[in-house]
Amino acid sequence: EDQVTQSPEALRLQEGESSSLNCSYTVSGLRGLFWYRQDPGKGPEFLFTLYSAGEEKEKERLKATLTKKESFLHITAPKPEDSATYLCAVRLGGGSNYKLTFGKGTLLTVNP
Amino acid sequence: GAGVSQSPSNKVTEKGKDVELRCDPISGHTALYWYRQSLGQGLEFLIYFQGNSAPDKSGLPSDRFSAERTGGSVSTLTIQRTQQEDSAVYLCASSLYNEKLFFGSGTQLSVL
Repeated sequence: EDQVTQSPEALRLQEGESSSLNCSYTVSGLRGLFWYRQDPGKGPEFLFTLYSAGEEKEKERLKATLTKKESFLHITAPKPEDSATYLCAVRLGGGSNYKLTFGKGTLLTVNP
Repeated sequence: GAGVSQSPSNKVTEKGKDVELRCDPISGHTALYWYRQSLGQGLEFLIYFQGNSAPDKSGLPSDRFSAERTGGSVSTLTIQRTQQEDSAVYLCASSLYNEKLFFGSGTQLSVL
């Protein structure tokens, strides 16, 4: 059973059309939820870390929020350069608190 | 360099050959990770190093896979007797005190 599920798998937006990406998780003892951006042929690039329900973080057109069961990445007035795969990952507590478990990602395409 | 460096960026090999993939982490980062990313799949954890020790090798798919780290720095992932199902992007990441992971651009491995 997947611990981290991202939806939708792919999302196509027009420039300026705001939307949200979802990351739901089934783990307990969360010790951090991470968002990364990955461009083709590159490694994932860190965006945000969220630690507790109710926490929000913003960077340019992106805002990440966290509840007890899911996280959202809100994209406001996206531009074509926001096109990328967005990855969500969780860090668990206890003996596995060193590694991140990733979802499969959401491929975002923003058309001009 | 300032980031995680991986080499080669691309590797094409024949089935049954051995390959070595190299990772140079960010200087001073004690933790080092190898992940594998297959088409349409999320990042799959392979192995974790803390210093030169590998306390978690649980993600290595078979005994054909091995990894080492020397001097608390450079790591090598070795795949023996490569199979077609080994074709994937192999990503290396490093972190300080198990915080956010910084990824390299990966090695695209193609087994013919």
